[in-house]
Amino acid sequence: GESVGLHLPTLSVQEGDNSIINCAYSNSASDYFIWYKQESGKGPQFIIDIRSNMDKRQGQRVTVLLNKTVKHLSLQIAATQPGDSAVYFCAEMGGKLIFGQGTELSVKP
Amino acid sequence: SAVISQKPSRDICQRGTSLTIQCQVDSQVTMMFWYRQQPGQSLTLIATANQGSEATYESGFVIDKFPISRPNLTFSTLTVSNMSPEDSSIYLCSVESLDTQYFGPGTRLTVL
Repeated sequence: GESVGLHLPTLSVQEGDNSIINCAYSNSASDYFIWYKQESGKGPQFIIDIRSNMDKRQGQRVTVLLNKTVKHLSLQIAATQPGDSAVYFCAEMGGKLIFGQGTELSVKP
Repeated sequence: SAVISQKPSRDICQRGTSLTIQCQVDSQVTMMFWYRQQPGQSLTLIATANQGSEATYESGFVIDKFPISRPNLTFSTLTVSNMSPEDSSIYLCSVESLDTQYFGPGTRLTVL
């Protein structure tokens, strides 16, 4: 079946560095993608989204890149802070929202 | 974005019992969803709940085990019936609002 997966299950970065979290998707019909941040004991929090007619979208300290040719999605976090430590999920919308496995981001002070 | 609350936030239950989880949204929404997140794993869609119709269940989930109510456009309940330790998970309510999907804080269920 269709699935969304992540390349790296864990990522450890130094405070102030940039973080890049990657995601592969397999449903070429998906036209909408979302990144969520989930802190311990909380529900997923919407970070940023992108539609399939775009290849880049920027928010505050975050950028999402979409490469439809290779079905790849990435989340870039600039100047990573300790408060960014969480599990990050990508999700694709192809009729229903399907989640990837998640990457745990750990920020070292 | 929609503000979503869930009750209870957590519970510890005995096997064989049932628990009903409530989800309240601060605005009227057409689409509401229930997800399960097993320990250390990603989110899996249980069912879609639309007001005025029966919930639509995903493969592997059945109405007898996870009955859902959707009495109005701001409220839904999910019941976990005849619980076993394998039902220990976080259960999350989600709504579609302004073309994206938002999540509640979750209900952490432990079944002994």
